[in-house]
Amino acid sequence: DVVLTQSPATLSVTPGERISLSCRASESVDTYLHWYQQKPNESPRLLIKYASQSISGIPSRFSGSGSGTDFTLSINGVELEDLSIYYCQQGNSLPYTFGAGTKLELK
Amino acid sequence: EVQLVESGGGLVQPGRSLKLSCAASGFTFSNYYMAWVRQAPKKGLEWVATISTSGSRTYYPDSVKGRFTISRDNAKSSLYLQMNSLKSEDTATYYCARQGYYGCPFDYWGQGVMVTVSS
Repeated sequence: DVVLTQSPATLSVTPGERISLSCRASESVDTYLHWYQQKPNESPRLLIKYASQSISGIPSRFSGSGSGTDFTLSINGVELEDLSIYYCQQGNSLPYTFGAGTKLELK
Repeated sequence: EVQLVESGGGLVQPGRSLKLSCAASGFTFSNYYMAWVRQAPKKGLEWVATISTSGSRTYYPDSVKGRFTISRDNAKSSLYLQMNSLKSEDTATYYCARQGYYGCPFDYWGQGVMVTVSS
């Protein structure tokens, strides 16, 4: 199974700063890497698909990059509403797997 | 507007069965792969099952293979998850999710339904 390692587990942020979240795969997943946001007591929401493709309705401050085994989700100017848990997920091979998540909290 | 509404959750004893349903609307259901994803309390996300557009192909992780069965009724725009031989570790919120095709992201999610396996 492809193991996705997300870092850091928790990130303390200040509104307005630019941040980067990491997702590293145990083997290449090409660009079949997707990012989700889950706010407390809500369902996950797709943020970025295929490593870097934007999703309609998602603010432009969210962007993704990477291919193969190393991926990054960036938020350019964190807002309070972005305090959530972020998960990466690979769709390159079965079983589909998720990372353990990175929790954004207020500094 | 895409809507996915799960139902059928509840408290069930270990070893028993439960069937979840998901009613879809706002898109052409028969054109999309569909999936179930679960989340144990205070834990991360785990993919549970995926089904092809016609229902002829199904996919499962080892953790549920042989115990869970995903199915669909395109005429009713409905997705199902039959869960047998339930274990305490199956306790989770189960989400119905749309998945365009094999390998595609889960682009829409339902609100989730809670399943608790306990004696």
